[in-house]
Amino acid sequence: GQQLNQSPQSMFIQEGEDVSMNCTSSSIFNTWLWYKQEPGEGPVLLIALYKAGELTSNGRLTAQFGITRKDSFLNISASIPSDVGIYFCAGYGGSNYKLTFGKGTLLTVNP
Amino acid sequence: DAGVTQSPTHLIKTRGQQVTLRCSPKSGHDTVSWYQQALGQGPQFIFQYYEEEERQRGNFPDRFSGHQFPNYSSELNVNALLLGDSALYLCASSWQGTGLYEQYFGPGTRLTVT
Repeated sequence: GQQLNQSPQSMFIQEGEDVSMNCTSSSIFNTWLWYKQEPGEGPVLLIALYKAGELTSNGRLTAQFGITRKDSFLNISASIPSDVGIYFCAGYGGSNYKLTFGKGTLLTVNP
Repeated sequence: DAGVTQSPTHLIKTRGQQVTLRCSPKSGHDTVSWYQQALGQGPQFIFQYYEEEERQRGNFPDRFSGHQFPNYSSELNVNALLLGDSALYLCASSWQGTGLYEQYFGPGTRLTVT
């Protein structure tokens, strides 16, 4: 089945630093989504990407839909303590209904 | 604007028992999907319901079944529980129109099987 490889698995950064994480697949995805999950909560949708090459921002977050349609990137600028959590990439491949998730990137921000 | 709600929050069951989890979608949404999230993993797609029918299923056995009601709320049923069914069960809703791809998640039900 389709799999998403997300990296890095974890990051420990200082407040104010910029963060980059990415997600790759061996097959084409038609839509990419980025979610954030905090302990005891469900994932919260951050950004949705629909076209290859698309670059979309949501505040300090910027995500890109890779040109090959097999990858996506998420950047967080000027990190703050409340950015702590697990960031998941997710995408729709051959199906319009089944959302496939990566394993997540655990972000820790040191004040 | 009420978001996705799930009940119960936590549940403890014994191997072999059956369990029913409930979900109410976000206001205006008509499609409900269920996911299983094991510790340290991303959510895994179980199935999606639209117009009271299951329209796609992930790699889960028939012990996992569901239902969608006319008010769009949904139930997930798991029979003959195994220890490996212990996980966070997440419900997500979306709108069949232009918002189909954007799924909004509830807080989940933590199921522990002993």
